[in-house]
Amino acid sequence: GAVVSQHPSRVICKSGTSVKIECRSLDFQATTMFWYRQFPKQSLMLMATSNEGSKATYEQGVEKDKFLINHASLTLSTLTVTSAHPEDSSFYICSARDGAGGGNEQFFGPGTRLTVL
Amino acid sequence: DQQVKQNSPSLSVQEGRISILNCDYTNSMFDYFLWYKKYPAEGPTFLISISSIKDKNEDGRFTVFLNKSAKHLSLHIVPSQPGDSAVYFCAANVGGGADGLTFGKGTHLIIQP
Repeated sequence: GAVVSQHPSRVICKSGTSVKIECRSLDFQATTMFWYRQFPKQSLMLMATSNEGSKATYEQGVEKDKFLINHASLTLSTLTVTSAHPEDSSFYICSARDGAGGGNEQFFGPGTRLTVL
Repeated sequence: DQQVKQNSPSLSVQEGRISILNCDYTNSMFDYFLWYKKYPAEGPTFLISISSIKDKNEDGRFTVFLNKSAKHLSLHIVPSQPGDSAVYFCAANVGGGADGLTFGKGTHLIIQP
């Protein structure tokens, strides 16, 4: 149980284009999902908290107009990187919390490697 | 400002012995701590967690110890197995686990045969 999927697993795009990444909880309902980013040899950094049916909460320094988050259902959250630049190249990982299950562990997706040319 | 610190970038342990991974934190508001295992180009896999009201939690070969006065926690793996070779991240959050996680930089554990 507690499986989280991400799609796509890797994407290469041209500078200036937009890229959408999907995060799905496959066997549980996730009222809260989180988006993280990991640069090479760095730790995972929280970008934003996504709550189903409401606006996402962004961490300091993360541009909400650049990283659009939509959490339209209890099993799906999407992150759209708009007008991507080479410095946006990173490993993006989502996680979901199965609050109904009684635990507070976050279960992570396999990540999406974004490369902006 | 690194609120969660893993000061050992790597650790090498012989198979069958105990692996001890350490983590320090500075934010006294943290009340929930987790350990994750991660392979390259994959998402982290949850291992074990501990609430600040406890000082020890055990799950099979994995035990996490929390010393709140020292703001220090450790993960013990006994016995260490080759499949344990991975990067281990310490993470913490506020609100009993409901918030986003603050991660350390990770420790690369290498289990030698």
